[in-house]
Amino acid sequence: SQTIHQWPATLVQPVGSPLSLECTVEGTSNPNLYWYRQAAGRGLQLLFYSVGIGQISSEVPQNLSASRPQDRQFILSSKKLLLSDSGFYLCAGKGPMNTEAFFGQGTRLTVV
Amino acid sequence: RKEVEQDPGPFNVPEGATVAFNCTYSNSASQSFFWYRQDCRKEPKLLMSVYSSGNEDGRFTAQLNRASQYISLLIRDSKLSDSATYLCVVNQAGTALIFGKGTTLSVSS
Repeated sequence: SQTIHQWPATLVQPVGSPLSLECTVEGTSNPNLYWYRQAAGRGLQLLFYSVGIGQISSEVPQNLSASRPQDRQFILSSKKLLLSDSGFYLCAGKGPMNTEAFFGQGTRLTVV
Repeated sequence: RKEVEQDPGPFNVPEGATVAFNCTYSNSASQSFFWYRQDCRKEPKLLMSVYSSGNEDGRFTAQLNRASQYISLLIRDSKLSDSATYLCVVNQAGTALIFGKGTTLSVSS
């Protein structure tokens, strides 16, 4: 079965500190991968998606970046966090033979 | 214009009620459609895919109207455990998955 591992589950970071969130995929090859952010009481905002190694599409301009160094690895980064970066970050994947996406358990980031 | 729009609710219904959610999308080239369920502080989980011919899974029925660009979800005989946020999802051109902001359902006894 297809699984997304995402860590850490919770994170508290000071303003101005760097960020690195990682997710890895099991059970499928060449997946499309996605990073979403959900602010408290809000919907899921698509931040980045990737259709292959080194291929990143950015949906929203911001101080975040994404990288895909390996087929099953997707990383979300920031050099300097802002208070507004707080939220629930979700990594999702979609196998090439599937139309629906599966999610990691999410990282709850609080920037203080 | 937002790409995927849903009535945020909340929908407050008693147990046993029938409730319907609608969702509209703006990109006519959208290819795949889904309903996800999200419980508080958890990740979204697939509830059902939505097919052009309409599909049913137990108490849940999903329908797609491509001409009008809307998707619906009908829940019959609501249970307390149905309380959650229901997310409409549209797959555009096989790549980006766009979520609506969700409709909150609260089922009470």
